[in-house]
Amino acid sequence: AQSVTQLGSHVSVSEGALVLLRCNYSSSVPPYLFWYVQYPNQGLQLLLKYTSAATLVKGINGFEAEFKKSETSFHLTKPSAHMSDAAEYFCAVSAQVGNEKLTFGTGTRLTIIP
Amino acid sequence: GAGVSQSPSNKVTEKGKDVELRCDPISGHTALYWYRQSLGQGLEFLIYFQGNSAPDKSGLPSDRFSAERTGGSVSTLTIQRTQQEDSAVYLCASSLFPREQFFGPGTRLTVL
Repeated sequence: AQSVTQLGSHVSVSEGALVLLRCNYSSSVPPYLFWYVQYPNQGLQLLLKYTSAATLVKGINGFEAEFKKSETSFHLTKPSAHMSDAAEYFCAVSAQVGNEKLTFGTGTRLTIIP
Repeated sequence: GAGVSQSPSNKVTEKGKDVELRCDPISGHTALYWYRQSLGQGLEFLIYFQGNSAPDKSGLPSDRFSAERTGGSVSTLTIQRTQQEDSAVYLCASSLFPREQFFGPGTRLTVL
């Protein structure tokens, strides 16, 4: 069984400040981990993915995440927030073999303060 | 190239009616997934297709829900005798290579 927990359903940061969105996972098998972003009335867009090749993963729009097995975490960061980063962010996990259905966290809504 | 498309984008129906939601995956993508996004339950997996077969239907919430995929391409999710709790956004995703699912814009279903 797999699950993810996203701490903080709402996060607000000032424009130019560090963005940190937290995700912890639970998995009985080696996981693949993902961050998706959803803009209003749109589908999900993949930001980045961890597939065991490297623990520090760089994604689109300046985001990155670090896989820490000892902490079972996969937190998303961006050094400097832009207004365009305002959206909902979902952390997700899947198994490394077989069916790759995604199990999502509850999401974090990111607000950028001008 | 075109992404995943879904139709209709919005569907309003009356309780008890049947609805069909369509997903057109990216051409050549062999895997197809349906998810549901609702306020109460968040994002939930419904069903997974590999080609035309569905090895995992574990997320379908009741026997009122069914799905099929034909020609290894288009998929249809059918909800019979809709209930108000079926109101949600239904998302479809497809993938070719492992570990990367591409999502469509979703169908917003409202059951009155």
